[in-house]
Amino acid sequence: QKEVEQNSGPLSVPEGAIASLNCTYSDRVSQSFFWYRQYSGKSPELIMSIYSNGDKEDGRFTAQLNKASQYVSLLIRDSQPSDSATYLCAVTGFQKLVFGTGTRLLVSP
Amino acid sequence: DAGVTQSPTHLIKTRGQQVTLRCSPKSGHDTVSWYQQALGQGPQFIFQYYEEEERQRGNFPDRFSGHQFPNYSSELNVNALLLGDSALYLCASSLRAGVTDTQYFGPGTRLTVL
Repeated sequence: QKEVEQNSGPLSVPEGAIASLNCTYSDRVSQSFFWYRQYSGKSPELIMSIYSNGDKEDGRFTAQLNKASQYVSLLIRDSQPSDSATYLCAVTGFQKLVFGTGTRLLVSP
Repeated sequence: DAGVTQSPTHLIKTRGQQVTLRCSPKSGHDTVSWYQQALGQGPQFIFQYYEEEERQRGNFPDRFSGHQFPNYSSELNVNALLLGDSALYLCASSLRAGVTDTQYFGPGTRLTVL
């Protein structure tokens, strides 16, 4: 069983729509949860971090965490073509990041 | 505020050779982690250095080794290169005693093994 699972996509949404990205994890002791954005050929860029159950909002981005169900999600409101990238979910237990394979998001004008 | 830096940007080697990659952490950070990212995959944890010692290691062979210097910068060494070692190598830095364990990535080194 993979430790962190994401749908590889691509997830296609029109400009202005809400993009919803999901991630599940297997290790119940995971304490910190992150979403990174990665453009093709570039390194991962931190978008959001979340540590407790519930929602956390930052601009157009909202991260949601449910530890009981072991899932974390990322909502992108008012999606823009510049949001087209691969979104990586990562979880930590002891200072080590475990990544999913990423979901490719395509936002069409 | 200087971010994480890595060198070189690109590297081409042949099978059997050895390679050294370098990383300088973000200002104020004391912990360096290395990751390997193959095409189409998420980054895979190689190891982490803190106080000049390897603190954690992922599922990588002993051909992968590292070092951390007193100024917190780090090196990743790979011996006896294989074709399968071709990947983007990422360095991430964090603050060990920080409230969070957020890791910030450098631009990466693209290694091609021929």
